[in-house]
Amino acid sequence: NAGVTQTPKFQVLKTGQSMTLQCAQDMNHEYMSWYRQDPGMGLRLIHYSVGAGITDQGEVPNGYNVSRSTTEDFPLRLLSAAPSQTSVYFCASTPRGLSYEQYFGPGTRLTVT
Amino acid sequence: AQSVTQPDIHITVSEGASLELRCNYSYGATPYLFWYVQSPGQGLQLLLKYFSGDTLVQGIKGFEAEFKRSQSSFNLRKPSVHWSDAAEYFCAVGDGNKLVFGAGTILRVKS
Repeated sequence: NAGVTQTPKFQVLKTGQSMTLQCAQDMNHEYMSWYRQDPGMGLRLIHYSVGAGITDQGEVPNGYNVSRSTTEDFPLRLLSAAPSQTSVYFCASTPRGLSYEQYFGPGTRLTVT
Repeated sequence: AQSVTQPDIHITVSEGASLELRCNYSYGATPYLFWYVQSPGQGLQLLLKYFSGDTLVQGIKGFEAEFKRSQSSFNLRKPSVHWSDAAEYFCAVGDGNKLVFGAGTILRVKS
């Protein structure tokens, strides 16, 4: 049981490039989320999904797209990278029910130059 | 809108001393409250959670937190800090299936 996995661990992009951050979980959790972490701002929700085929925006969705074709995977796409997207990105999953307990992946550190 | 405030950006305590990290929340209904810890370069680990019932909750690594509805607070405590507790601590409130995080408190432990 690997839990929540994220790839890559580190990435450097040039402004305007696109890329996909991968997130997968093997716990059969229905809910998955993407957060970004910036110094002094805690974690802010980008997008989330309550199940396969269903996604919604969080607090800071601009510049990011998501899709959820399977229960296991929840990729985050940067359409045209900007320096403001330099951050650490965390994926999390939550089992169905009222636990609200989120299990976090190890994070992806992204630098946009 | 739901929000979480952690008033202390940094806290320094001596090893063996007691610790209290403050957390205040704004939430319209009964809150689901969490404390997470993040060691440098690592992901977030759940320390403890409050959903209902006993307002004093016990967590891992010897941590506890007390929910005080009248003060909208959920402060984290530990009676004796170890050097390995140096990390960043986040308080969060559950909002649907989402979490709203505070800005975090960095704990430094001096020997």
